[in-house]
Amino acid sequence: SQKIEQNSEALNIQEGKTATLTCNYTNYSPAYLQWYRQDPGRGPVFLLLIRENEKEKRKERLKVTFDTTLKQSLFHITASQPADSATYLCALEADSSYKLIFGSGTRLLVRP
Amino acid sequence: DADVTQTPRNRITKTGKRIMLECSQTKGHDRMYWYRQDPGLGLRLIYYSFDVKDINKGEISDGYSVSRQAQAKFSLSLESAIPNQTALYFCATSEPTSGSGDEQFFGPGTRLTVL
Repeated sequence: SQKIEQNSEALNIQEGKTATLTCNYTNYSPAYLQWYRQDPGRGPVFLLLIRENEKEKRKERLKVTFDTTLKQSLFHITASQPADSATYLCALEADSSYKLIFGSGTRLLVRP
Repeated sequence: DADVTQTPRNRITKTGKRIMLECSQTKGHDRMYWYRQDPGLGLRLIYYSFDVKDINKGEISDGYSVSRQAQAKFSLSLESAIPNQTALYFCATSEPTSGSGDEQFFGPGTRLTVL
């Protein structure tokens, strides 16, 4: 069956450290993968998109990698700040139809 | 002003009632989506529409219907609400770009409780 999995346990790190979140998928061959941030009581906000032919994408303190062989994407936040505390969702294109399939998200808590 | 708005933001209703959730957008996007979010299950697609004349079922459309009244408006109806439809509902929009990969813009959500 098709699955997209993110660690359901919260990630708790110290301010200034690098946070690394994982997104694994099975039985999909997505052309791209997206990452969103969601704060409590709010809708998700788009952060980054990485295509299947891209190994890595950066935006300010954010970095995303995409390994289509491992069927995995890693999302990194360097020099993390308490304001980075949120839930991070990965989403992939299901079947070339522009529909997204979302993971359940990983909550990140950055301690001051 | 928010680009994607949803009304109501919170709603408590009883089993068997008909409920309509409304979504409006000022982004000028053709594509609109309805999702529900449950704890531990992530966002699941209910219906989507790629233009005013296009309506498609998503992953979990049973018990729901939609109406695309205009490019800017996409409504979700629960014909006869049941308790397991208690969830957080999000509307989203997107605009196709060259190739694949259009990002989605989400509304603030509607928290629905069915008693």
